[in-house]
Amino acid sequence: DAGITQSPRYKITETGRQVTLMCHQTWSHSYMFWYRQDLGHGLRLIYYSAAADITDKGEVPDGYVVSRSKTENFPLTLESATRSQTSVYFCASSDLADSNYEQYFGPGTRLTVT
Amino acid sequence: AQSVTQLGSHVSVSEGALVLLRCNYSSSVPPYLFWYVQYPNQGLQLLLKYTSAATLVKGINGFEAEFKKSETSFHLTKPSAHMSDAAEYFCAVTQRNGMRFGAGTRLTVKP
Repeated sequence: DAGITQSPRYKITETGRQVTLMCHQTWSHSYMFWYRQDLGHGLRLIYYSAAADITDKGEVPDGYVVSRSKTENFPLTLESATRSQTSVYFCASSDLADSNYEQYFGPGTRLTVT
Repeated sequence: AQSVTQLGSHVSVSEGALVLLRCNYSSSVPPYLFWYVQYPNQGLQLLLKYTSAATLVKGINGFEAEFKKSETSFHLTKPSAHMSDAAEYFCAVTQRNGMRFGAGTRLTVKP
C-alpha cells in the first residue's frame, strides 16, 4: 500500500529492554522524522533524516537511536527503555521538492514501558 | 528558532456556536503554518496550511484560519460547531529540519 506505515501499532515492553519501532514510506521522500506525543507537550521532534545515511538530533533525542540505510525506512530504537519513554510515536516524511515543508504522518505507535 | 503557542488547553462550545482556537507563532522568517486535528486514538489529519499565497486559508470540514503578521497569529475558526468537531487540535510551524507543534487544544462540543 502506498503511503507511510508504522509497526507495530501497539507495543508493551519492560524497563531496560531494547525495542525498535519501524517506519516505512513509499513516496521516496528524502526527509523523514520521528516525533513523540505526550499530554501537554504536543508532538516533539526526536530525530530526523535528510537522506539515507544522514541523520540529526531533534528536541528530545536522549535515549533513542536512529539509522537510515534505505530511503524508505527509518527505524527508531530505544536501546534501554525507560518508563518516561511511554508515549505515542509518530513517523513523518517530507519531499525535498516541497517548498512548504509539508509533512505526512503515519498512524502512530503506542508504546508502553512497564 | 521558530515556535508556536496555543492559548487554552481546553475549549468548550455549544453545538452551533462559533469555534475559535488560538495560535501565535514566533518566527524570524515568513513561516509556513499548519493546523492538524487528531481524533481519539487516531493519527494527525491536516486541516489547513498557510504558505503565503493568501492570508485567509480555507480547510476541510468548514474550518478556516487567518494569518495576521502584525499579530503573529494564525487562529482557527469555524462558524458553527458540530458534535463531530470534538477532537484535539494542533498548530504547527514547519521548517526543513522538522515541525514545531503547540501543546494542543482539546475542543469539547456540548449538545
